[in-house]
Amino acid sequence: DQQVKQNSPSLSVQEGRISILNCDYTNSMFDYFLWYKKYPAEGPTFLISISSIKDKNEDGRFTVFLNKSAKHLSLHIVPSQPGDSAVYFCAASGAQGGSEKLVFGKGTKLTVNP
Amino acid sequence: DTEVTQTPKHLVMGMTNKKSLKCEQHMGHRAMYWYKQKAKKPPELMFVYSYEKLSINESVPSRFSPECPNSSLLNLHLHALQPEDSALYLCASSQGPDRVEGNQPQHFGDGTRLSIL
Repeated sequence: DQQVKQNSPSLSVQEGRISILNCDYTNSMFDYFLWYKKYPAEGPTFLISISSIKDKNEDGRFTVFLNKSAKHLSLHIVPSQPGDSAVYFCAASGAQGGSEKLVFGKGTKLTVNP
Repeated sequence: DTEVTQTPKHLVMGMTNKKSLKCEQHMGHRAMYWYKQKAKKPPELMFVYSYEKLSINESVPSRFSPECPNSSLLNLHLHALQPEDSALYLCASSQGPDRVEGNQPQHFGDGTRLSIL
């Protein structure tokens, strides 16, 4: 039973445009959500997070939006750059396992074309 | 550059071998983690150490044995592994579970690519 779902395995956008990556979750006990970026042959790199008490968090070109009623979050990257091409994982925590137990989605491969 | 260092980067071992994976962080983090990641799959949690004590074991087979010698180091001892154990093994660390400063993200190393012959 997948608690964190990323339904788009891939996304392709033009350089300079907006990239929107989506994530849905089923466990209403999750209270902390994160996005990680992963390049081949490297570990996941933390990008941005959001607590369930907020609905938006912004850091430079990256913004995460949280819609708790829909159990949905999204990552916006504006403007997109070729160096953003990577696999993006959505993750959540705060269920029975506490903040230490991160549950990951399957990832979305983003390709930004020059 | 990652602040969580994992060695070795690659490891090939036979099913009868004994080897260890090592992880080190110097960020003062009090929680450390082992994850397993298969190709085209998300990372899956194996173990969590909190203040040097094992706090979560996700029903991992006993052929994987974690050890936390001190707050900066985390080892994963391997013995009698199976070919299906071939994967990328990721170590991560975070501030810890006390949430004094609120939720804190986990920071990952680049992993050890393990191949079992």
